[in-house]
Amino acid sequence: QKEVEQDPGPLSVPEGAIVSLNCTYSNSAFQYFMWYRQYSRKGPELLMYTYSSGNKEDGRFTAQVDKSSKYISLFIRDSQPSDSATYLCAMGGDMRFGAGTRLTVKP
Amino acid sequence: DTGVSQDPRHKITKRGQNVTFRCDPISEHNRLYWYRQTLGQGPEFLTYFQNEAQLEKSRLLSDRFSAERPKGSFSTLEIQRTEQGDSAMYLCASSSPHQRGYTFGSGTRLTVV
Repeated sequence: QKEVEQDPGPLSVPEGAIVSLNCTYSNSAFQYFMWYRQYSRKGPELLMYTYSSGNKEDGRFTAQVDKSSKYISLFIRDSQPSDSATYLCAMGGDMRFGAGTRLTVKP
Repeated sequence: DTGVSQDPRHKITKRGQNVTFRCDPISEHNRLYWYRQTLGQGPEFLTYFQNEAQLEKSRLLSDRFSAERPKGSFSTLEIQRTEQGDSAMYLCASSSPHQRGYTFGSGTRLTVV
């Protein structure tokens, strides 16, 4: 079992839809949780950062962490074609990444 | 500040050849990381520097791989006697102690033929 599990998708949604991306993990010691966005042929860029449990909102993006279930989520509201990318969850002080979910938002 | 720079962007090499990649981090960042990413996978940690000291190496980093950061600024990653399994995107990232997350470069895509 991998330390961080993420459904690779692909996920295709119409413009304006709410997108839900998820990861599960096995290491209960993880305290730092991040979401990165990676466009094709580019490096990952940090989208959201959460420490411990709870919710964090930034514009159209909301990150949730449920440490009791070892489950984290990223929600994208009013999705746009420019949101089409691979979304990677990452966690822990030494940054363990999920496999990434490839998202396409169709106009 | 132009972000994290990696050179070259692409490298095609024959099996058995040596290759070297360069990473220039953000100037005020004292931490530098190398990751490897294969198609459909997330980045995998290879090694980490704080200033010029290499503090951690993954078991993924075989004896054919070596990384340096001689003056605590830019870093190089060398792969000796390349194998087809080394084909991947090699990502460099940097951070400062109080920064949340890392800043990644655009990567060097290596193809071993």
